[in-house]
Amino acid sequence: DTGVSQNPRHKITKRGQNVTFRCDPISEHNRLYWYRQTLGQGPEFLTYFQNEAQLEKSRLLSDRFSAERPKGSFSTLEIQRTEQGDSAMYLCASSLGGSGGVEAFFGQGTRLTVV
Amino acid sequence: DQQVKQNSPSLSVQEGRISILNCDYTNSMFDYFLWYKKYPAEGPTFLISISSIKDKNEDGRFTVFLNKSAKHLSLHIVPSQPGDSAVYFCAATPVTQGGSEKLVFGKGTKLTVNP
Repeated sequence: DTGVSQNPRHKITKRGQNVTFRCDPISEHNRLYWYRQTLGQGPEFLTYFQNEAQLEKSRLLSDRFSAERPKGSFSTLEIQRTEQGDSAMYLCASSLGGSGGVEAFFGQGTRLTVV
Repeated sequence: DQQVKQNSPSLSVQEGRISILNCDYTNSMFDYFLWYKKYPAEGPTFLISISSIKDKNEDGRFTVFLNKSAKHLSLHIVPSQPGDSAVYFCAATPVTQGGSEKLVFGKGTKLTVNP
């Protein structure tokens, strides 16, 4: 296992369309996070899974956003009815958590452009 | 409200010299701190971390110093190399509270190491 994998790397979509991103975490990591990064800002937390349970969501995550982690393995982030303001880099990270290690390891991200 | 602040958007140093990147935080509940390095169009890469029970952690050319009373940490890179040129993010999380261990990031400092 070489690290966190995200697909696609880039996505260009028209406003109003739905998009879905996939994240494959490091296999032994039970914690999975989604972050969003815009130009000039640091990554901002969106949501967190422990195994298959979505335990925390940021107020940044509007009702157009939904995330899943079936079976506690890979995760998907879907954005419905995309808006231009959704254009950003979407980052997935995973960690062991707690005494296993707080350090989160990030994927290469999915760059979303809404036109 | 920025809970993690990196007040220098950019820093330029000569190869072989020391690079010092600074970070301040406001949330007293933060007790674990991390530094990430990011190249353009890639996800953040974990560099080094420190728990609030320590005031220094060293890993090769990288050393992180924590001053809890001042709510300040710094990353020292010695000697600096051109390949260190990247954006460096400071991040913090409250670990002892339990929960998601989500990271709160600063806005980053762009380091340029000149040959």
